[in-house]
Amino acid sequence: GQQLNQSPQSMFIQEGEDVSMNCTSSSIFNTWLWYKQDPGEGPVLLIALYKAGELTSNGRLTAQFGITRKDSFLNISASIPSDVGIYFCAGMMNYGGSQGNLIFGKGTKLSVKP
Amino acid sequence: DTGVSQDPRHKITKRGQNVTFRCDPISEHNRLYWYRQTLGQGPEFLTYFQNEAQLEKSRLLSDRFSAERPKGSFSTLEIQRTEQGDSAMYLCASSLVVDGYTFGSGTRLTVV
Repeated sequence: GQQLNQSPQSMFIQEGEDVSMNCTSSSIFNTWLWYKQDPGEGPVLLIALYKAGELTSNGRLTAQFGITRKDSFLNISASIPSDVGIYFCAGMMNYGGSQGNLIFGKGTKLSVKP
Repeated sequence: DTGVSQDPRHKITKRGQNVTFRCDPISEHNRLYWYRQTLGQGPEFLTYFQNEAQLEKSRLLSDRFSAERPKGSFSTLEIQRTEQGDSAMYLCASSLVVDGYTFGSGTRLTVV
């Protein structure tokens, strides 16, 4: 199936560091979403973006909807140990016959530096 | 609001057996989605219901898969004649409008 290009695939963080990840697509989306998934659980919605150019924050998280509608990025500032997990971007298709289907990236795995 | 509930959480089955999973969405949500997630990948869309109507099915949903939402509340996903390639996490999600929706914790299927 179709998936978005998400990078980096994995990264190690030290507590207090800022983290950036991004997502690109060959298709235009009307909505971009960022989810976090912990092992054995379903994804949990972090931020939803509805308008090209939109910049939205949720606590230490900031995400932007790219102006071309084909990309998005997520920043985490001053990371803490509980930020560890897998972060997924998702583009929502809500036009034509596709009402609300999400196309996901492969995820960015955040781990703590040993 | 207890969130989206999925049952069972884990299922181990022998190849060729049929399995059925249940999803109970958030009570006022009229939209319900099923996704499949394999190891190291993001979830992939399988099918979508608005109330009891199944409005869209992915090409991933082969004829061995069937989903129902008979009264517009809970939904079931059945896989007939399971194959090893069906091993995955099956995720259900629900929403009230076309928006960022709430996922359940998933059912992990292992076909041996």
